Amino acid sequence: GNSVTQMEGPVTLSEEAFLTINCTYTATGYPSLFWYVQYPGEGLQLLLKATKADDKGSNKGFEATYRKETTSFHLEKGSVQVSDSAVYFCALYNNDMRFGAGTRLTVKP
Amino acid sequence: DTAVSQTPKYLVTQMGNDKSIKCEQNLGHDTMYWYKQDSKKFLKIMFSYNNKELIINETVPNRFSPKSPDKAHLNLHINSLELGDSAVYFCASSQDRKRGWGYEQYFGPGTRLTVT
Repeated sequence: GNSVTQMEGPVTLSEEAFLTINCTYTATGYPSLFWYVQYPGEGLQLLLKATKADDKGSNKGFEATYRKETTSFHLEKGSVQVSDSAVYFCALYNNDMRFGAGTRLTVKP
Repeated sequence: DTAVSQTPKYLVTQMGNDKSIKCEQNLGHDTMYWYKQDSKKFLKIMFSYNNKELIINETVPNRFSPKSPDKAHLNLHINSLELGDSAVYFCASSQDRKRGWGYEQYFGPGTRLTVT
């Protein structure tokens, strides 16, 4: 079946540090892949997406590349800010939607 | 305008009570969902409705009953509340799930349910 595995948190970084949150998936065929972000006290918001192999999704300085050969969709940002502190969810759609367990990121000034 | 709205935002009630959470979306989407998020932020889908028809019902106790009067609304009714029902419940919507690629969901702000 479809599933998503993402790195366990919490992740704590200093401002301007480089961020990587790993995400791998299991699915048949060609799923669409997503990163959602949940800020404190809010619902999830779509951060970026990629719908086919080698696509790169990007938004707000975050990027993730759809790697079919490694079944991965790792989230990266070159320089994090305090305002990026949130929980990040990797997700896939392949006939139904599956979310990863979430990774909490805290960025300290 | 709020795309997906839920009421109430907070709900505190006692064990054994019956309560409802309402959800409305103004995006013109065909599919709506209910998710449960536990204290560890784990997100689990409970129900999905497409054009007023139930299309997903994960292993959720039958004390939970979704009701969709029209495709813009999906309410969640919970009977005989238990301590373990305490969580944040999120409503979400998307375009027709059959469209496949580009599929994305829009979430409401959540309802924090506390059962005492």
